[in-house]
Amino acid sequence: AQSVTQLGSHVSVSEGALVLLRCNYSSSVPPYLFWYVQYPNQGLQLLLKYTSAATLVKGINGFEAEFKKSETSFHLTKPSAHMSDAAEYFCAVSEREKLTFGTGTRLTIIP
Amino acid sequence: GAGVSQTPSNKVTEKGKYVELRCDPISGHTALYWYRQSLGQGPEFLIYFQGTGAADDSGLPNDRFFAVRPEGSVSTLKIQRTERGDSAVYLCASSQGVETGELFFGEGSRLTVL
Repeated sequence: AQSVTQLGSHVSVSEGALVLLRCNYSSSVPPYLFWYVQYPNQGLQLLLKYTSAATLVKGINGFEAEFKKSETSFHLTKPSAHMSDAAEYFCAVSEREKLTFGTGTRLTIIP
Repeated sequence: GAGVSQTPSNKVTEKGKYVELRCDPISGHTALYWYRQSLGQGPEFLIYFQGTGAADDSGLPNDRFFAVRPEGSVSTLKIQRTERGDSAVYLCASSQGVETGELFFGEGSRLTVL
């Protein structure tokens, strides 16, 4: 079965600093990978997805992620954090038509 | 509606009671999913419908949990003889049913079993 592991359940960065949220996957076939974000009191929404096209994927709100097969990683980055980025972020892998999620990383932005 | 709608948003019940949670997906979406999210955890897959049929119910924890989607649109998740361990946020999502497609999530139904 496919799975993802998110390193760090909590990450704090200063406003304007680089955001790096880590995700490693385990898959026996080329995976489809996703990052979802959950703002307080809102449903999960898609940030970006990798579907075997370009390895560098750009998403909404200035986020991007790079698929690295050699490292089995799909880390999420943003060059400059904004207060509005405070949320919980989930990495997910697609197995057929269903998604398997990681345990999430809560991002806190320090003013 | 514009998004996935889930009702109720909050449900408090007593151990042993029966509970129904409703999901109204985005119009035209053929695929519907139920997930469960416990505190501090990521969403955990329960069941997936393609149209009216359950294409994959491998995530249902036991036979107390059952879900239906009789007309291929609205779905109801049913939990019998609730236990305290069933307390969680139950998330519904819908999609166009394509493997690489995006899932659109509702805000969830928070179930508390006392």
